[in-house]
Amino acid sequence: GENVEQHPSTLSVQEGDSAVIKCTYSDSASNYFPWYKQELGKGPQLIIDIRSNVGEKKDQRIAVTLNKTAKHFSLHITETQPEDSAVYFCAATFIHKLSFGAGTTVTVRA
Amino acid sequence: GAVVSQHPSRVICKSGTSVKIECRSLDFQATTMFWYRQFPKQSLMLMATSNEGSKATYEQGVEKDKFLINHASLTLSTLTVTSAHPEDSSFYICSASALAGKSDTQYFGPGTRLTVL
Repeated sequence: GENVEQHPSTLSVQEGDSAVIKCTYSDSASNYFPWYKQELGKGPQLIIDIRSNVGEKKDQRIAVTLNKTAKHFSLHITETQPEDSAVYFCAATFIHKLSFGAGTTVTVRA
Repeated sequence: GAVVSQHPSRVICKSGTSVKIECRSLDFQATTMFWYRQFPKQSLMLMATSNEGSKATYEQGVEKDKFLINHASLTLSTLTVTSAHPEDSSFYICSASALAGKSDTQYFGPGTRLTVL
């Protein structure tokens, strides 16, 4: 099955700075890579996703890059704000089943 | 769009009782619904995948007789934890994939916190 590794496990940034989270996956057949944001006590919220036929995708302050050859993908958050503080999960899809990374706790310092 | 609801949001029950959790897709028809369990400070672990009108497919190590899943319609799936014990206490989250469009996109519900005394 798919194995997704996510780093770092915790990330503290100053408000206004950028945050970068990196993930690697094992199965070259994976073709869909979503990112989820989870606030305490709530379900994960899809914030951005990318498919294997695209190398980069951007949505306002959030961007995701994908390197299929190296089997890694990254989430970039620019101009971080306190409301960006949450746990972020990357995932990869193999046969329509999501395999999640371990999560990154992001803290934005005011 | 793509809203998924869960009910109840929290439930406390005595050991040995059964608990039913409902998952509904509110504004789309879901071909497939998924049930996850999440322990504190951990990632989401897939328990089972259910398609409307057919039996659920359980992940390895998940007891199908203990975690009963019913996917009666394209907008409703239920998870029943039978004879619950304290070790079943967890955060249970469902997700749904749309019938049309990009079927591998999963939208998650808000989760149900189960506490078994």
